Amino acid sequence: GAVVSQHPSWVICKSGTSVKIECRSLDFQATTMFWYRQFPKKSLMLMATSNEGSKATYEQGVEKDKFLINHASLTLSTLTVTSAHPEDSSFYICSGIGDSQLTNQPQHFGDGTRLSIL
Amino acid sequence: QKEVEQDPGPLSVPEGAIVSLNCTYSNSAFQYFMWYRQYSRKGPELLMYTYSSGNKEDGRFTAQVDKSSKYISLFIRDSQPSDSATYLCAMKAAGNKLTFGGGTRVLVKP
Repeated sequence: GAVVSQHPSWVICKSGTSVKIECRSLDFQATTMFWYRQFPKKSLMLMATSNEGSKATYEQGVEKDKFLINHASLTLSTLTVTSAHPEDSSFYICSGIGDSQLTNQPQHFGDGTRLSIL
Repeated sequence: QKEVEQDPGPLSVPEGAIVSLNCTYSNSAFQYFMWYRQYSRKGPELLMYTYSSGNKEDGRFTAQVDKSSKYISLFIRDSQPSDSATYLCAMKAAGNKLTFGGGTRVLVKP
């Protein structure tokens, strides 16, 4: 149980384009989803937290206009990297939890999206 | 000083050996402790989840938490080459935000 599907797994695009990454909870309703960024051989860095139906909360230093997050349903959250540049190239991972009111819920992660901007 | 410290490794062991991993933390508010396994270019996979001091066993995995020492461990018995991965400890306080260790890379040699 607790499967999170992330799509696409790998995307290459030109500088200046926008890229959308989807994160779906397949067998549970994710009231809260998280978006992380991971550099090679580094740990996960939280970018933002999104609750279904409300605006995302961004971590300090993360540009909300650059990384647009939408969490329109209990099973889908999207991250759009707008006007992507080579420095945005990274591994982006989402995670979800079920009932966010229960603080003992573990996060379940998708398989990540490798973004390469040329 | 980082909130969660984890030796980056690599930790190399022969097949069949016990893998011993640990993390130390400084925030006494952390109540929930997790171990994730991450293969290259994949997302983290939850292995163990504990919220009290003591031991928790699941198959070949044993997680230990010592809140008084702010120290957690993960032991992998009868290690296999397929256990070669990066192991991340993670913990959280009352909210849902996780704080991760830097990860330990483990190599199990056949």
